[in-house]
Parts: sequence; C-alpha cells; structure tokens
Amino acid sequence: QKEVEQNSGPLSVPEGAIASLNCTYSDRVSQSFFWYRQYSGKSPELIMSIYSNGDKEDGRFTAQLNKASQYVSLLIRDSQPSDSATYLCAVKGPGGGNKLTFGTGTQLKVEL
Amino acid sequence: GAVVSQHPSRVICKSGTSVKIECRSLDFQATTMFWYRQFPKQSLMLMATSNEGSKATYEQGVEKDKFLINHASLTLSTLTVTSAHPEDSSFYICSAALAGGARSEQFFGPGTRLTVL
Repeated sequence: QKEVEQNSGPLSVPEGAIASLNCTYSDRVSQSFFWYRQYSGKSPELIMSIYSNGDKEDGRFTAQLNKASQYVSLLIRDSQPSDSATYLCAVKGPGGGNKLTFGTGTQLKVEL
Repeated sequence: GAVVSQHPSRVICKSGTSVKIECRSLDFQATTMFWYRQFPKQSLMLMATSNEGSKATYEQGVEKDKFLINHASLTLSTLTVTSAHPEDSSFYICSAALAGGARSEQFFGPGTRLTVL
C-alpha cells in the first residue's frame, strides 16, 4: 500500500464547476497535510495546509481533513482554465519527522 | 509565501562531469532544506534532508558520494552531482522550511533541469 494515494486522473471539469481532489494516507499518526499545485515543467507551489479535522477555506480553495478516515481533500470552486495543473497531496510526521511524503498527484483539466 | 531560488535553471553537461546546483532562501533563514528529484510523469522523490552546519541525511538508495550536499549557511544549500551520467538527467528541486516542527511549511525553488549527454 502506498503511503499517500491519489487518483492520477485526468479529472476534467467544465469552467465554473467545483473540482474535487482526493487523497488518502496510510500513517495514522500523520499530523500535517498540504496541497501543492504543479504546472507542467514547473516546481510545486503551496496552496493549502491543514492540521485539524474539518474544513479550511482560502479564497476559492477549501481543504477538508478527516483523520479518522485518513482522508484529505481539496475543493476548487469556480474552476478556471488556469487551475489546470497537477495537484500533489503531501503528508508529514510525526513518523517522518520534517519530511514530506507526496502522492503521485492528480491531473486536473478545466475545460472551456 | 517565502521565496526560494535555484541556480542554474537548466544545465546540459557531458557524461562524467560534475554539476553544482545552488538553492537559496531569499527572505528567510532556513534551518532545513530538502533536495528532490522528479522524473517525467512521476512524483517528487526526496533525495536528502540538509541541515545547516551538519551532514545531510540521505534517503535509502541515494548515493551520498555521488550527490554531495553542503549547507554552509542558513540561506544556502548546494547539491553537486558528481560524475554525472545520462541516467542522472532529471528535474532537481530544492525546498526550504520556514521553521521546524510538524506544522512547518516547505517552499520550493523553481527547479533545475539537468540533461547529461
């Protein structure tokens, strides 16, 4: 079983719709969860971090965490073509210390 | 977010040569920096964790004598790929952590694309 699992996609949504990206992790004692966006040929860019169960909103982005289910998601409202990218879920500690464990990423395509 | 730079952004070299990549945190001091490698259509793979003033901690399977890491100051870490070969061609990305602990966020540099001929 992979430590951090994501559906590779591609996930296609029409412009203006809500994109829902999901991630599960295997280390039950993980404490910190991050979503990164990576455009093709570029390095990852931090979008959201979440540490507690529930929802965390930042603009059009909402991260959701459910530690009991070992599940974290990212919702993107009013999706724009510029949101088309690969979204990486990353999990940290305490078993891994400061290290991030990345999923393989979900490719999102927002279509006009 | 915090700004991390990398230099060079792209390098092409001949097989057998060594290549040095610099990673700098521009507006903060980074106690810990990380070096990743990413092959096409794959996720990031952590190569090593670099702490200022101490030896780097390498991940399993990463040759420490081939990938030399120096973290001489709180704003600069370098990765030297020694005797590079075509299989070392990859996208090398560094990141820097703002602070220690489970809630510290990592910010990535723009990456260095290495091509070994």
